[in-house]
Amino acid sequence: DVKVTQSSRYLVKRTGEKVFLECVQDMDHENMFWYRQDPGLGLRLIYFSYDVKMKEKGDIPEGYSVSREKKERFSLILESASTNQTSMYLCASSLQGRGYTFGSGTRLTVV
Amino acid sequence: ELKVEQNPLFLSMQEGKNYTIYCNYSTTSDRLYWYRQDPGKSLESLFVLLSNGAVKQEGRLMASLDTKARLSTLHITAAVHDLSATYFCAVDMYSGGGADGLTFGKGTHLIIQP
Repeated sequence: DVKVTQSSRYLVKRTGEKVFLECVQDMDHENMFWYRQDPGLGLRLIYFSYDVKMKEKGDIPEGYSVSREKKERFSLILESASTNQTSMYLCASSLQGRGYTFGSGTRLTVV
Repeated sequence: ELKVEQNPLFLSMQEGKNYTIYCNYSTTSDRLYWYRQDPGKSLESLFVLLSNGAVKQEGRLMASLDTKARLSTLHITAAVHDLSATYFCAVDMYSGGGADGLTFGKGTHLIIQP
């Protein structure tokens, strides 16, 4: 089975800090995604990547950036964390046409 | 812009009853997914529906897809407490360059009471 691992289950950061959320998949998938999940809003796509060094904006990219230097790793970066970025963040990967696998999520609190 | 609408968003039902969750989407899509999420947990894949008329069943859950109506349903038969969770449908706008990611409905919070 594909495994998608998010490095932190819970994070607490201060406003203005630079925050890195890491995601690693172990099955050589081309596509990787970052979502955030908020009550009443469901899951919304932040950024995704087709391949190494490639990135595409999703529906809500403002305040975020991403990095994909290696195929297996996709990082989400909050350049200057704000309280409205407090959320659950979910990483996913997919092999074209064969479904998506989600990580266990990182619950980020910005204080 | 692709929109995915689920209803109901909240459902409380008794064990043993049947019910259906509806998922409508606004544009033509290649694939439709159903996921389950337990509180504090990640998403568990339930079904992937790939073509018009597709029907898949697992235990007390059955999902179907009507691409002409842009409608998918998740039917629960003789509900049991263990099925209490939040259920999401999601649509995949796959393009030639690769998967563009899933667009999710807001989820149906299902509570099944003894």
